[in-house]
Amino acid sequence: EVQLEESGGGLVQPGGSLRLSCAASGFTFSHKNMNWVRQPPGKGLEWVAYISSSSSSVSYADSVKGRFTISRDNAKGSLYLEMDGLRAEDTAIYYCARTNYFTGGDYYVPFFDYWGRGTLVTVSS
Amino acid sequence: DIQMTQSPSSLSASIGDSVTITCRASQNIIYYLNWYQQRPGKAPQLLIYAASTLQSGVPSRFSGSGSGTDFSLTISSLQPEDFATYHCQQIFTTPHSTFGGGTKVELK
Repeated sequence: EVQLEESGGGLVQPGGSLRLSCAASGFTFSHKNMNWVRQPPGKGLEWVAYISSSSSSVSYADSVKGRFTISRDNAKGSLYLEMDGLRAEDTAIYYCARTNYFTGGDYYVPFFDYWGRGTLVTVSS
Repeated sequence: DIQMTQSPSSLSASIGDSVTITCRASQNIIYYLNWYQQRPGKAPQLLIYAASTLQSGVPSRFSGSGSGTDFSLTISSLQPEDFATYHCQQIFTTPHSTFGGGTKVELK
């Protein structure tokens, strides 16, 4: 059974740092691209960051670029999100999500087929 | 950036009703469109990918359609477990993606 479990959330002051982890099991972690997605309380979803299976490619939302760093350790089956320079607007539940792909004709459509339960990050003084 | 506009933002319906949620992209995304269901206090779950393909295990009362800029999710006969928030996601700009604002389906 595929499982993703986030940890590391908590209360942090503005300008502070936090490191989130996502432990993966039930699949070959090193074969899958991964993402972080966040959801502010009572609001919609926002994609945050992506990392390819070999870590050769990473990508970030403009709202976090230069402040957040995504990484992974395939030997440990773990995904990470290092968050620096935290702001009040970063307050959210952070989910890790696995990418899978649909291939049809000329198209190769990604989707997020498994999500963790999330970890809450609160940025407040 | 591609903007995703979902409508309505909320709706009230009864058990057995058929409901349709729409999602409009600000530019052509072909069929790079996914739908997720999120029950209160839970993580999102994949319902439909590539606009119309049902994820394994999802009941057949859920269906998706559309291409280009206009997409819809239909629930043909609402069940108690379907009262939730539904999110569309464009992933044409992969690995970047954008979600719609969500549609909350409530019991009338």
